[in-house]
Amino acid sequence: KNQVEQSPQSLIILEGKNCTLQCNYTVSPFSNLRWYKQDTGRGPVSLTIMTFSENTKSNGRYTATLDADTKQSSLHITASQLSDSASYICVVTVYSGNTPLVFGKGTRLSVIA
Amino acid sequence: DTEVTQTPKHLVMGMTNKKSLKCEQHMGHRAMYWYKQKAKKPPELMFVYSYEKLSINESVPSRFSPECPNSSLLNLHLHALQPEDSALYLCASSQPGQGKNEQFFGPGTRLTVL
Repeated sequence: KNQVEQSPQSLIILEGKNCTLQCNYTVSPFSNLRWYKQDTGRGPVSLTIMTFSENTKSNGRYTATLDADTKQSSLHITASQLSDSASYICVVTVYSGNTPLVFGKGTRLSVIA
Repeated sequence: DTEVTQTPKHLVMGMTNKKSLKCEQHMGHRAMYWYKQKAKKPPELMFVYSYEKLSINESVPSRFSPECPNSSLLNLHLHALQPEDSALYLCASSQPGQGKNEQFFGPGTRLTVL
């Protein structure tokens, strides 16, 4: 069964600190993995997207890594800001034209002053 | 234009009402999706349209009726909904056949059924 597991479920950090979110997946055949940021009551916004041949991808203060052998990904947030408070969702696509995405349950990040 | 728009932003309806949610994109994408998202849960796929034809229906009750009048528009017609249908409804689009098949999400419609 295709699954995406994320940890931790929730995280509270102080403004300015770094943090790392984890994603493990069992999806086959694998096409790509993306990290989305979703503010409460809003649609998800894509942060990074990686295929199996890409090990790392950065987008400003966000850096995602992918280990296709161990089927693990991480999202590292540097110098966190209050506006980083959101849910971060790991999503894996099964290789196909319109195959639905497999969503993780997300990590709820709260950045406090 | 890399945006998916959805209207309305918020909708409150009674169980006997008929309403419609609308989604529009002008990225030339030929696949469009409806998702339902409850609080603190990931989005759940409802329908997929590919080249204006319904290709996936994830066993959604018939009180939800999708429509794709053209390649840029996607509607979700609502009738006789239940309070448990209250959720955030997300529309997304992508281009079939592209390697990464990246889906772009709209801002969502917050639906409350009384």
